[in-house]
Amino acid sequence: NAGVTQTPKFRILKIGQSMTLQCTQDMNHNYMYWYRQDPGMGLKLIYYSVGAGITDKGEVPNGYNVSRSTTEDFPLRLELAAPSQTSVYFCASSGGGRTEAFFGQGTRLTVV
Amino acid sequence: AQKVTQAQTEISVVEKEDVTLDCVYETRDTTYYLFWYKQPPSGELVFLIRRNSFDEQNEISGRYSWNFQKSTSSFNFTITASQVVDSAVYFCALSDLDRDDKIIFGKGTRLHILP
Repeated sequence: NAGVTQTPKFRILKIGQSMTLQCTQDMNHNYMYWYRQDPGMGLKLIYYSVGAGITDKGEVPNGYNVSRSTTEDFPLRLELAAPSQTSVYFCASSGGGRTEAFFGQGTRLTVV
Repeated sequence: AQKVTQAQTEISVVEKEDVTLDCVYETRDTTYYLFWYKQPPSGELVFLIRRNSFDEQNEISGRYSWNFQKSTSSFNFTITASQVVDSAVYFCALSDLDRDDKIIFGKGTRLHILP
């Protein structure tokens, strides 16, 4: 029962570096989401996808890019990392808005 | 626009007390779903309940109960006889089926249950 798997779990980046946060799910869900959670704050939607080849911006998309070439994978790309991107990133998947989302364990990213 | 407001940032109660977490939502759509999630200190997100906009029946699950009132756009969560293990951050969330099914979360309420 893998569910939603995120890698890496922890990462430290230097300002200006780039990286990709990986997310894969094995539940054949069409919907996938990326959220960020700043310390002591709620979850903000970065990007989401309603199916392979379809992505859309959420509440806070600036500084990020996504792609969805397969149903299983939904990587999040950070270009030119900034300290403001220090956060915990959660990937989630669901069968649609009528069903609950299943979350990965999160990636704790620090930009220094 | 979609919005979820959890006005209580942090609540502390003594064990065995009842506590209610408030959630108020905004949407222009008639078809939507509401959710509650729990985030314990370990950090994972745990699904608690789902409710659709056409079902205003209250739900009880053990010590947990939920009160959905469309007239006030509220979906409140009550823990009866709280326990230390209930200490966590609780999130209310909204999914509008007319808006790509994206799920929007409130800022969460941090609940401390004191022994």
